[in-house]
Amino acid sequence: DGGITQSPKYLFRKEGQNVTLSCEQNLNHDAMYWYRQDPGQGLRLIYYSQIVNDFQKGDIAEGYSVSREKKESFPLTVTSAQKNPTAFYLCASKEGTGTYNSPLHFGNGTRLTVT
Amino acid sequence: AQSVTQLDSHVSVSEGTPVLLRCNYSSSYSPSLFWYVQHPNKGLQLLLKYTSAATLVKGINGFEAEFKKSETSFHLTKPSAHMSDAAEYFCVVSDRGGSQGNLIFGKGTKLSVKP
Repeated sequence: DGGITQSPKYLFRKEGQNVTLSCEQNLNHDAMYWYRQDPGQGLRLIYYSQIVNDFQKGDIAEGYSVSREKKESFPLTVTSAQKNPTAFYLCASKEGTGTYNSPLHFGNGTRLTVT
Repeated sequence: AQSVTQLDSHVSVSEGTPVLLRCNYSSSYSPSLFWYVQHPNKGLQLLLKYTSAATLVKGINGFEAEFKKSETSFHLTKPSAHMSDAAEYFCVVSDRGGSQGNLIFGKGTKLSVKP
């Protein structure tokens, strides 16, 4: 079955450490996205990529970095510069790069806790 | 510019009674509209989408939504709530004028279902 796999489901880190969240899709989608979810704030866009080797900042990119070396993979690194990294992180993809009427497909998320 | 407002942050219904989750949108173009559902610690699942075809859209699990251009609304309804419908619901708008990956999320409505 096609889908998006995020790993790990739960991640614990000490403050000051960088951590990388994995996102892999086998849907052959061009566009991939990273969202952060906090209680009562909905989803906020961190980064998105519409094609391999290219990506754009979203609303809250500070303290995060991404890469898109392969179509299937879009890892997110939460750096020590991110002031409040504890959150639920969601990866998504959709087909096409300019298709505004295509829905997003989501992974099951990674819950990151930094202490 | 696009925007989306979910009018209720929390809705509580009794099992077997109707569900109404309200969503208003703003768009400078003909929008596409989506409803997603999220169960705790899970990703978002597409319930239904409107993309300028029929204004009454049927989705999964007995949900439907009606696109009303004159009222700029896209409310989600279900005739009879089930305990398994308890979750958070997100209304999303997208149009060809959007940036940030083209999709704008509402802040979500948490649906509680009482036995």
